[in-house]
Amino acid sequence: QQQVKQSPQSLIVQKGGISIINCAYENTAFDYFPWYQQFPGKGPALLIAIRPDVSEKKEGRFTISFNKSAKQFSLHIMDSQPGDSATYFCAARDTGANNLFFGTGTRLTVIP
Amino acid sequence: GAVVSQHPSWVICKSGTSVKIECRSLDFQATTMFWYRQFPKQSLMLMATSNEGSKATYEQGVEKDKFLINHASLTLSTLTVTSAHPEDSSFYICSARDISLFYEQYFGPGTRLTVT
Repeated sequence: QQQVKQSPQSLIVQKGGISIINCAYENTAFDYFPWYQQFPGKGPALLIAIRPDVSEKKEGRFTISFNKSAKQFSLHIMDSQPGDSATYFCAARDTGANNLFFGTGTRLTVIP
Repeated sequence: GAVVSQHPSWVICKSGTSVKIECRSLDFQATTMFWYRQFPKQSLMLMATSNEGSKATYEQGVEKDKFLINHASLTLSTLTVTSAHPEDSSFYICSARDISLFYEQYFGPGTRLTVT
């Protein structure tokens, strides 16, 4: 059973555009929601994370929007650049568990 | 962010031999380390969780005797793939949680294992 559902599977965005990746979860015990960026042949890098006590967190061009009632959260990449082309994973963890539950990943391609 | 290193970054071994992969947290202490496996174009699959000084907890379906995990210190964990077979070929990634930052979890650069 997939604890965190991620969509879309792949995304192509024009340079300068906005990339939006969505995730949904069911476990209401989740209280930490990070996003990771992974380039081919590399490990995932923590990009940005949010806790459910806030509805939005912004770091540079990256923004997480969080909707607790809908149990959804999303990553927005503003002014997308070719260097943003990578696979993005959302994840979630509850304080009682010790590990992260990952989404299936979104392969983002930003075309010049 | 905190840095996690892995060594080696890639390794080729013959079927039947054992391979050890090291994972180190370079600038923080990690009470908990995780080992993941990732197949091409797929998500990360948790193999096991280890706490410093304790036996690792393996996920269902992961063979404990094949994937030996040791977490001897707050900065070092090792994964040994014993009697490797071609189906063990994969990308192995370790991860560590910073005890000073309760939630954040950092990943190593991964190790590409090819068993011939």
